[in-house]
Amino acid sequence: QVQLVESGGGVVQPGRSLRLSCAASGFTFSSYGMHWVRQAPGKGLEWVAVIWYDGSNKYYADSVKGRFTISRDNSKNTLFLQMNSLRADDTAVYYCAGALGDMWFDPWGQGTLVAVSS
Amino acid sequence: DIVMTQSPDSLAVSLGERATINCKSSQSVLHSSNTKNYLAWYQQKPGQPPKLLIYWASMRESGVPDRFSGSGSGTDFTLTITSLQAEDVAVYYCQQYYSTPITFGQGTRLEI
Repeated sequence: QVQLVESGGGVVQPGRSLRLSCAASGFTFSSYGMHWVRQAPGKGLEWVAVIWYDGSNKYYADSVKGRFTISRDNSKNTLFLQMNSLRADDTAVYYCAGALGDMWFDPWGQGTLVAVSS
Repeated sequence: DIVMTQSPDSLAVSLGERATINCKSSQSVLHSSNTKNYLAWYQQKPGQPPKLLIYWASMRESGVPDRFSGSGSGTDFTLTITSLQAEDVAVYYCQQYYSTPITFGQGTRLEI
């Protein structure tokens, strides 16, 4: 079945780095643009970044630009998010989500929690 | 950036009654090239990821009960849930995918 599984979350100190992964299965990963969306505890959804189906274009929210890098490996059906210079306000559940072209997000992963704390 | 504003922030509706959630975008999300509204609705239950309900503002995703419907065009949109069921308790979000950055409404909490 269609599935996205995130991993790599955890507790990290401010200023440190973390790399999230999202493993895809059950659909043609290489045909989907892939997004990261985060949700701070008790808050709403915030879009973080997108990478086109072929990796040719990447866009970021202003809040993470210059600190986060999105990438993908279509040969391994895997999406990544490299997060550097982490701050307390990066604390959130991070979801990966797929989108066909410039379209809605479906499917979604179950999310991985990133907690930035000293 | 396109700002999405939902109203109300929370809503209490009796079982079997109708719930209406509004979403307003700061600029039109109607694409002139295909006359489609780049607007989706999601349902999120506690501890779960968002679930797609509606896309193109009014198209119901496969498997979504027909008591859920979307309407509107341009900058004003509505999600309607007729005959509310207990399992509809959730937070609902609208999203524009017209332009980057993709933006979501702040969410509407629906309670019984």
